[in-house]
Amino acid sequence: GDSVTQMEGPVTLSEEAFLTINCTYTATGYPSLFWYVQYPGEGLQLLLKATKADDKGSNKGFEATYRKETTSFHLEKGSVQVSDSAVYFCARGGQAGTALIFGKGTTLSVSS
Amino acid sequence: EAGVAQSPRYKIIEKRQSVAFWCNPISGHATLYWYQQILGQGPKLLIQFQNNGVVDDSQLPKDRFSAERLKGVDSTLKIQPAKLEDSAVYLCASSSIRGQETQYFGPGTRLLVL
Repeated sequence: GDSVTQMEGPVTLSEEAFLTINCTYTATGYPSLFWYVQYPGEGLQLLLKATKADDKGSNKGFEATYRKETTSFHLEKGSVQVSDSAVYFCARGGQAGTALIFGKGTTLSVSS
Repeated sequence: EAGVAQSPRYKIIEKRQSVAFWCNPISGHATLYWYQQILGQGPKLLIQFQNNGVVDDSQLPKDRFSAERLKGVDSTLKIQPAKLEDSAVYLCASSSIRGQETQYFGPGTRLLVL
């Protein structure tokens, strides 16, 4: 069935390091792709999204590009901050109103 | 614009007891979702409503879980009787129905079953 696979965590980085969190998906058709972030004790917040192939979503210095040929949507940030410490979830959607399918989440810990 | 509201934020019960969670979606959002997030995993859909009708409840354990959205606005999710494995965070989300819309999540209800 349709699924989302993201890299195992935790990911531990020093402040200003480069971040990549890998995400691949399986799906019929071309679903929308999302990255959500969950800060400690809070609900999921949308970080960025892309709705079609080659789209690049970006927000708060984070970027991810919808790669149809590799069915991937890797999250990147050039210089992480301590405040970026959180759990990051990759998700795929479908047609309007379809429930999201999430990866297991990747915990990022950034130290100063 | 107010976000998705959920209550309570935390609940501790003993197994075989019952519990109910409440969700109020973003105003005007026709689609409402309940997800279960077990520790260390991503959220999994329990049930999806479009207005007050059920669109997908294939993953809902119907022998113990029930949900309703009577007036097409707020929703209640109930567990009766609870089992130890129901310990999780229950997330409510909503979206509008146009296009490939983003889902907006509430803060969740953290349930611990002892």
